[in-house]
Amino acid sequence: AQSVTQLDSQVPVFEEAPVELRCNYSSSVSVYLFWYVQYPNQGLQLLLKYLSGSTLVKGINGFEAEFNKSQTSFHLRKPSVHISDTAEYFCAVSEGSTTDKLIFGTGTRLQVFP
Amino acid sequence: DTEVTQTPKHLVMGMTNKKSLKCEQHMGHRAMYWYKQKAKKPPELMFVYSYEKLSINESVPSRFSPECPNSSLLNLHLHALQPEDSALYLCASSHEGFGETQYFGPGTRLLVL
Repeated sequence: AQSVTQLDSQVPVFEEAPVELRCNYSSSVSVYLFWYVQYPNQGLQLLLKYLSGSTLVKGINGFEAEFNKSQTSFHLRKPSVHISDTAEYFCAVSEGSTTDKLIFGTGTRLQVFP
Repeated sequence: DTEVTQTPKHLVMGMTNKKSLKCEQHMGHRAMYWYKQKAKKPPELMFVYSYEKLSINESVPSRFSPECPNSSLLNLHLHALQPEDSALYLCASSHEGFGETQYFGPGTRLLVL
């Protein structure tokens, strides 16, 4: 069965600093990987996704993620964060060949300080 | 238009009430979803509709009853809920197929007294 682990429940960082949010997945088949962001009192919004091809995926708002099959990871990065990036970030996986169900990780709260 | 709308934004109901949550999208998506999200937790899938037919029911109690009257609308009928059902209920939609992006609405925040 597939699962997603987000090791960091909270990541505090100062404005303009780089950040990495970690995500590891477990699946015995090929997967599709997603990062969603949830701002306070809002629904989720897709940041980026990996389906196939280049392992470096660029998303909205300056975020990017790298798919690493050998380490079963899909870490999210941003070289310089802004106060407005403060939000909850969810990594998610779907097993592309069997179902389009999304399995979410437990989330990482990114808190950007001035 | 990449918007999924949900009404109402907030709902307070007693355990004997009957209420409905509504979701609407006009992106031509044929897959629609209901999720439940408790505070500081990830969304949990409840139901999936594909071409207006229920395709996934994640063993949700019968006091939650979904309905998809047409390709743009998704309802969630609530009856005899428990206080532990208080949560944010999110609707999402996507094109059919694997790896498709799900577009989420802002949610309905439900409080059961």
